[in-house]
Amino acid sequence: GESVGLHLPTLSVQEGDNSIINCAYSNSASDYFIWYKQESGKGPQFIIDIRSNMDKRQGQRVTVLLNKTVKHLSLQIAATQPGDSAVYFCAGSETSGSRLTFGEGTQLTVNP
Amino acid sequence: DSGVTQTPKHLITATGQRVTLRCSPRSGDLSVYWYQQSLDQGLQFLIQYYNGEERAKGNILERFSAQQFPDLHSELNLSSLELGDSALYFCASSVAVGRVTGELFFGEGSRLTVL
Repeated sequence: GESVGLHLPTLSVQEGDNSIINCAYSNSASDYFIWYKQESGKGPQFIIDIRSNMDKRQGQRVTVLLNKTVKHLSLQIAATQPGDSAVYFCAGSETSGSRLTFGEGTQLTVNP
Repeated sequence: DSGVTQTPKHLITATGQRVTLRCSPRSGDLSVYWYQQSLDQGLQFLIQYYNGEERAKGNILERFSAQQFPDLHSELNLSSLELGDSALYFCASSVAVGRVTGELFFGEGSRLTVL
């Protein structure tokens, strides 16, 4: 079955630095991935997604990289701001599946 | 605001009791998903409905059940509650018919505390 996990449970960065949050997945059939941001007391919010036919996708201040060879994806946040402090989840979807399987999350703390 | 509404926001009850959590999806979304988030844990998929029909089932306990009504709102029923059922329960909706290839819109969650 699908398994999606994160390398680090916490990440602390200085304001203005770039942040990189990593995620590994186990199922080769996974071909769609999403990053979500969850602020304290709120539901997860969509950040960016990527399909397996791509290896990079950019949004506003965020970039997702996908390495299918090693089943790894990462979320890069440029010029991290205090408002970026949250828990970040990666989630994957299998080819024939209708569910997203979430990793356990990385708590990003941005220090002023 | 995601457009997904969940009630109640907070619920405190005792072991052995039964509760119902309610979710109204975004206007136009036919798929509703339920997720459970325990303390410091990721989101565990429970169940998905599409236009009133069950579409996918995750690690949902037999004590839990759900349904989606003709007006597309959904309810998650949790019975014979145990301490370990204390968690945040999220509802999400999407336009997806089958597999998820787009964004899920999450509600703010219902925090259940079982004492």
